[in-house]
Amino acid sequence: GAVVSQHPSWVICKSGTSVKIECRSLDFQATTMFWYRQFPKQSLMLMATSNEGSKATYEQGVEKDKFLINHASLTLSTLTVTSAHPEDSSFYICSAFQSYEQYFGPGTRLTVT
Amino acid sequence: QKEVEQNSGPLSVPEGAIASLNCTYSDRGSQSFFWYRQYSGKSPELIMSIYSNGDKEDGRFTAQLNKASQYVSLLIRDSQPSDSATYLCAVEIYNQGGKLIFGQGTELSVKP
Repeated sequence: GAVVSQHPSWVICKSGTSVKIECRSLDFQATTMFWYRQFPKQSLMLMATSNEGSKATYEQGVEKDKFLINHASLTLSTLTVTSAHPEDSSFYICSAFQSYEQYFGPGTRLTVT
Repeated sequence: QKEVEQNSGPLSVPEGAIASLNCTYSDRGSQSFFWYRQYSGKSPELIMSIYSNGDKEDGRFTAQLNKASQYVSLLIRDSQPSDSATYLCAVEIYNQGGKLIFGQGTELSVKP
């Protein structure tokens, strides 16, 4: 299957700071990537759809000014959590869409203190 | 509101038994269905995709789809302790560019 990487795998930051998470498709080009958030013991919640060269589409209830998404190339999408707060602590996972299937990155565990 | 429902867990089976995981969905227009396995603390891993009614087999895994009943299942034969994980059913929303809706997941425990 296709390989998707994420960086960093975990990050701890202080409240009020911003954190950038990178998602890369390593062996294919992805015009569409997705960003999810997962809280403990819960399923994945889609945050936004990232399309190369255009603005991201956010799901209802997701603050687009807080979660900035940039899909500048066919292999890279970034999620920036701005002015992070403890309630933003979660497992953030990206996926890339290829050949009608979604492949997930390994995830980024964000802890905001 | 499009929904995906999975049978509540946790599901516990002895090693070597068949584990049966079930999923129903509400969007009649959906054409693509997926099963993901997620180990604790890890991201989901695609294990099966199915697009047509009937059965699809891959090793010890068999996915079954019945679009008329809006039902998809996953059978794991000869269950192994390494199969212990949460299994997520995902349904692609029709004409939404690949967006998936996930079920809440079923936790499977295979006892040696």
